[in-house]
Amino acid sequence: AQTVTQSQPEMSVQEAETVTLSCTYDTSESNYYLFWYKQPPSRQMILVIRQEAYKQQNATENRFSVNFQKAAKSFSLKISDSQLGDTAMYFCASTHPFTGANSKLTFGKGITLSVRP
Amino acid sequence: ETGVTQSPTHLIKTRGQQVTLRCSSQSGHNTVSWYQQALGQGPQFIFQYYREEENGRGNFPPRFSGLQFPNYSSELNVNALELDDSALYLCASSLSGTGLEFFGPGTRLTVL
Repeated sequence: AQTVTQSQPEMSVQEAETVTLSCTYDTSESNYYLFWYKQPPSRQMILVIRQEAYKQQNATENRFSVNFQKAAKSFSLKISDSQLGDTAMYFCASTHPFTGANSKLTFGKGITLSVRP
Repeated sequence: ETGVTQSPTHLIKTRGQQVTLRCSSQSGHNTVSWYQQALGQGPQFIFQYYREEENGRGNFPPRFSGLQFPNYSSELNVNALELDDSALYLCASSLSGTGLEFFGPGTRLTVL
């Protein structure tokens, strides 16, 4: 079974600064995807960034980037130039491939990020 | 392109009742997954449907059941509701093989 661990329940950052959210995972699969999802108070789960395990290059999406350490099974999210709209709960997740190429997501417990004006 | 939609937004039921939640997949998607998210927790996988058949199930009892229709919309049914079933229920659709799931806004179920 796959597990995803987010050990920091809360973090706070000043607007315009940089913050890093931590995540570790465990899997016996050789190929998998890792994700960061954002869930604002509106409850909509929004995909922030995706990393394919077989790619060594860290994924980047505008102000969001990851530090993927496959050997250490670590997958952290860096948010640069934090904005008030980044305030949300952030979930780290991994896929668990089924046969037939469909997959389910295994989520961590999440971290609440607050951006201070 | 229409995103994933869910209905109703909120629902209040009493213990022992039955409930049906609905989900409309994003255009072009053929797979739908359902997740239960308790307050302050990460979502937990309930089951997935592909080509109108259940394609995997998490650690949920048989009173949680589902359907997928030919137009790829889906229903989640929960019988004999228990207090612990109170949660946000999320539906996510995807195109098989892409590994990318897109979530709906969820249905908040409260069981009294």
